[in-house]
Amino acid sequence: AQSVTQPDIHITVSEGASLELRCNYSYGATPYLFWYVQSPGQGLQLLLKYFSGDTLVQGIKGFEAEFKRSQSSFNLRKPSVHWSDAAEYFCAVGAWGNTPLVFGKGTRLSVIA
Amino acid sequence: GAVVSQHPSRVICKSGTSVKIECRSLDFQATTMFWYRQFPKQSLMLMATSNEGSKATYEQGVEKDKFLINHASLTLSTLTVTSAHPEDSSFYICSARDPGQGGETQYFGPGTRLLVL
Repeated sequence: AQSVTQPDIHITVSEGASLELRCNYSYGATPYLFWYVQSPGQGLQLLLKYFSGDTLVQGIKGFEAEFKRSQSSFNLRKPSVHWSDAAEYFCAVGAWGNTPLVFGKGTRLSVIA
Repeated sequence: GAVVSQHPSRVICKSGTSVKIECRSLDFQATTMFWYRQFPKQSLMLMATSNEGSKATYEQGVEKDKFLINHASLTLSTLTVTSAHPEDSSFYICSARDPGQGGETQYFGPGTRLLVL
């Protein structure tokens, strides 16, 4: 069965500290991987995506993610968190064609001064 | 990046009335759009896949007669919540695939907050 696991429901980091949000997936086909961010009451904004090639992908707002096939992981990282990064982050997996995305349950990020 | 809009952004209605939510792809043509429902502090739940010119495909447990989906053009899909009840109150989000991105990337609308009194 296709699934995405985000083990951390809520993470709190200090502003300026580094961040890593974990994502593990289970997918039968060749996966396409995504990270989205959602601010309260808003839709989802695409941060970055991995289809193939270089396993370290760069996204918007200074985020990056690394695809590790052996660990079935696609963790999101940012070297220095800003207060405006506080939001809900969703990892998702999909495949070629009209296959719907499968989402993780999300990780809520809080940023403290 | 591709832009998807939704209208209205929020709506309050009385129980028993119907509400229509529009989802538009503004700068690309989308043969496939998706409708999601999101409860507070939860992830997105896929309701249905909307295909231009054909019937929508509903997920198990989603009442197709309650949530009517019409994808009449390559840039517009609508979700109509018929005879809405308080339990239908939720945040509804649509997304669309951008074929220019290979078709695998979904772009999301800003969502519609529905409150049924």
